[in-house]
Amino acid sequence: DAGVTQSPTHLIKTRGQQVTLRCSPKSGHDTVSWYQQALGQGPQFIFQYYEEEERQRGNFPDRFSGHQFPNYSSELNVNALLLGDSALYLCASSLDREETQYFGPGTRLLVL
Amino acid sequence: EDKVVQSPLSLVVHEGDTVTLNCSYEVTNFRSLLWYKQEKKAPTFLFMLTSSGIEKKSGRLSSILDKKELSSILNITATQTGDSAIYLCAVDEGNTDKLIFGTGTRLQVFP
Repeated sequence: DAGVTQSPTHLIKTRGQQVTLRCSPKSGHDTVSWYQQALGQGPQFIFQYYEEEERQRGNFPDRFSGHQFPNYSSELNVNALLLGDSALYLCASSLDREETQYFGPGTRLLVL
Repeated sequence: EDKVVQSPLSLVVHEGDTVTLNCSYEVTNFRSLLWYKQEKKAPTFLFMLTSSGIEKKSGRLSSILDKKELSSILNITATQTGDSAIYLCAVDEGNTDKLIFGTGTRLQVFP
């Protein structure tokens, strides 16, 4: 049973650049949520996708956008990168309206 | 504003000790409380507690939800070095399905 997978594992970008992170949900799951985890902090909710639509959004600027594909995989895009965007980006998948979310290994983004 | 607070922030113990991690929450529309263990990157699911399931146990780990006090504890008995990790508490906000996390408790178990 394949768990949640994310790519790439690490990424280094410079300020002003754009980045795309990818996530494949656990087999059978249809909902994908994205979280940002800064060093020493708990994960912060960015947004959630279900049926290819953004269903919920946290307190993140419009520079953060996403997409969900028909096979339920998802992308997170961040434009005009800032130093403060450096963090671990976690993807979590779940079944619609079920509470338990399962996390992928994350993508560690460093913005220089 | 919804929030989840964990204590202590950090804990250092010796193998064999028993530890108790605390989590309190103020969330408008509480649906469930979840505990995760984060060793390197991916938080791994431990327990989910709801109004209909306020106590869970798995091996040396157990957790209780106190809905009156808006809190939960995670107990680990006979700790091992492999228990060293960050333990995250999260509350599922029922209106949005988002998880609201605390900052975590870093547990270090020394031989």
